[in-house]
Formats: sequence, structure tokens, C-alpha cells
Amino acid sequence: GDSVTQMEGPVTLSEEAFLTINCTYTATGYPSLFWYVQYPGEGLQLLLKATKADDKGSNKGFEATYRKETTSFHLEKGSVQVSDSAVYFCALHHTGNQFYFGTGTSLTVIP
Amino acid sequence: GAGVSQSPRYKVAKRGQDVALRCDPISGHVSLFWYQQALGQGPEFLTYFQNEAQLDKSGLPSDRFFAERPEGSVSTLKIQRTQQEDSAVYLCASSPRGASYEQYFGPGTRLTVT
Repeated sequence: GDSVTQMEGPVTLSEEAFLTINCTYTATGYPSLFWYVQYPGEGLQLLLKATKADDKGSNKGFEATYRKETTSFHLEKGSVQVSDSAVYFCALHHTGNQFYFGTGTSLTVIP
Repeated sequence: GAGVSQSPRYKVAKRGQDVALRCDPISGHVSLFWYQQALGQGPEFLTYFQNEAQLDKSGLPSDRFFAERPEGSVSTLKIQRTQQEDSAVYLCASSPRGASYEQYFGPGTRLTVT
């Protein structure tokens, strides 16, 4: 069945460091792919999405490219800030009504 | 405008008690989802409504779990005879159109069964 495998955390980076959080998926066909972020004490928020192969989603300096050949949707940011500290979830939607989420990666950015 | 709200934010129940968790979606949103998020895990799908119709309940873990959305807006997730393994955060999300569109999540209800 459909599933998402996400890089385990926690991840700790210094401010202005480069961030990569890996995400790979298993699905037949062409799912839509998402990154959600959960800031402390808040609900999940959509960060970015891509709906077809080679699409690049971007928002708030974060980017992820839908790579069908490697079944990946890695999240990147060139220079993280303290305010980026949160838990990041990779997710996919394929057919039907279900979204499949990864287990989440906790990011802490230190000044 | 107002986002998705859930109540209560925290609930402690003794094993065997029934609980009811409420979700107020964004006004006008057609789709509503319930998820269960165990500690350290991602959300897992429970059930999906389109308006008042429950189109998918394949994720409900047992017949102790029941969800309704009688008027196509507010939804209630009910858990009967709670067990310790039901302890989790229960998330509600709504979407303006079909299931494939982005979801807006509420803050969740943290249920602890003692």
C-alpha cells in the first residue's frame, strides 16, 4: 500500500545552516506530495506541495522537488532561522480519501 | 477568518468511560477528516466526510469509534469504553473541496486514558 518514509530526527542546526529532510514514498501511479509543519503548540499547517513529477513546491524559503525516478520529495532550505524550529511531516495523497503521513522530523535551530 | 477549532483541547478519561471530541471546521468547507496521532508518530487517517456523508471510515480502529457530522458542519468523534491504547492526539482537518485538496488542521485534542 501507499506509504511515506521520512528521515528520523531530531535534527539540530545552527542558524543560517543548510537544511535537508529526506522523504521517500511508495505508491502506484502519481500521488500528490506535501510537506506540513507543526510549530510548538499549534496544528499542522501546509508548507508546500507538488502534484506531478518534476514539480517544485516552495514557500517561506523551503523547497521540495517531486522526483518520480527516485520516489522522493526531500525538503530543503538554504539558510534556516530559529523560527523554523518545528516538526516537519511529509505526506502523500493518491487515490481515495486518505492522506499518508510520515512520522515527522523535529528540527531545532540554535542561534 | 477562523480556523478549524477542536474541543476540548485536553481530555483525561478513566478506562471504560465514553468520550466525545468536537470539531468545528472552517465555515463552508465540504470535506472533513479525523486523524489519530500517537506520540512520536505522524497522523493516521480515521475517517472522512463529504458534507454530512461519511464516505470512508476504513481507518477507525474498532467499533468503539464512531463519528458523525449530521448537518455537514460540526463533527463529533465518539469513543466508547475507552482503552489505554486510545491515548493519542485526535486531529480534525477540513478542506474546501474534495479529498485531494489541501487540508486545514485544528490544534487537536489530547486524550489520555488512565
